[in-house]
Amino acid sequence: AQSVTQLGSHVSVSEGALVLLRCNYSSSVPPYLFWYVQYPNQGLQLLLKYTSAATLVKGINGFEAEFKKSETSFHLTKPSAHMSDAAEYFCAVSEGDSGGGADGLTFGKGTHLIIQP
Amino acid sequence: DAGVTQSPTHLIKTRGQHVTLRCSPISGHKSVSWYQQVLGQGPQFIFQYYEKEERGRGNFPDRFSARQFPNYSSELNVNALLLGDSALYLCASSISAGVYGYTFGSGTRLTVV
Repeated sequence: AQSVTQLGSHVSVSEGALVLLRCNYSSSVPPYLFWYVQYPNQGLQLLLKYTSAATLVKGINGFEAEFKKSETSFHLTKPSAHMSDAAEYFCAVSEGDSGGGADGLTFGKGTHLIIQP
Repeated sequence: DAGVTQSPTHLIKTRGQHVTLRCSPISGHKSVSWYQQVLGQGPQFIFQYYEKEERGRGNFPDRFSARQFPNYSSELNVNALLLGDSALYLCASSISAGVYGYTFGSGTRLTVV
């Protein structure tokens, strides 16, 4: 069975500082990995996804993530935090055949990112 | 282009009642998936429908059911509501059956009292 662990339910950084949100996964087959962002009272917006191509994935709003198979990790980073980055971030994994949706996505519990002025 | 539309945005129900939530996918998308997000948790997969057939089901009781219509819109039904069913219910649509192209709606906030 697949699972996702997000280390740190809350992460606080200063504006302009590096953002690092941690995600470790468990999967019995090569996984497909995703990062989503959720603003208050809104749905989920896809930041980036890893689908077995390049291990360094670039997403929207300056975010990127690196797939490290040996560490079973897919940490999300952004070089310089902006106040508008304050939100809830979710890491998710899918084992579905070619990303098939039959099992849906398995999400972590989320990390609340706080940006200090 | 319109995104994924969910209705209603909020509703309050009493324990034991029944509720129907609705989702209209992005035009051209043939798959709809439903997720439950309890406060403070990540979303949990409930169902996936593709081309009007159920393709996947998460670990939810039989009180939860869904269907997809010929125009690819979908309904999620929950019977005999429990307090623990209070959550944000999210719908995601995609062109194919895969998870790659998911676009989420803003959700329906259900409160059971």
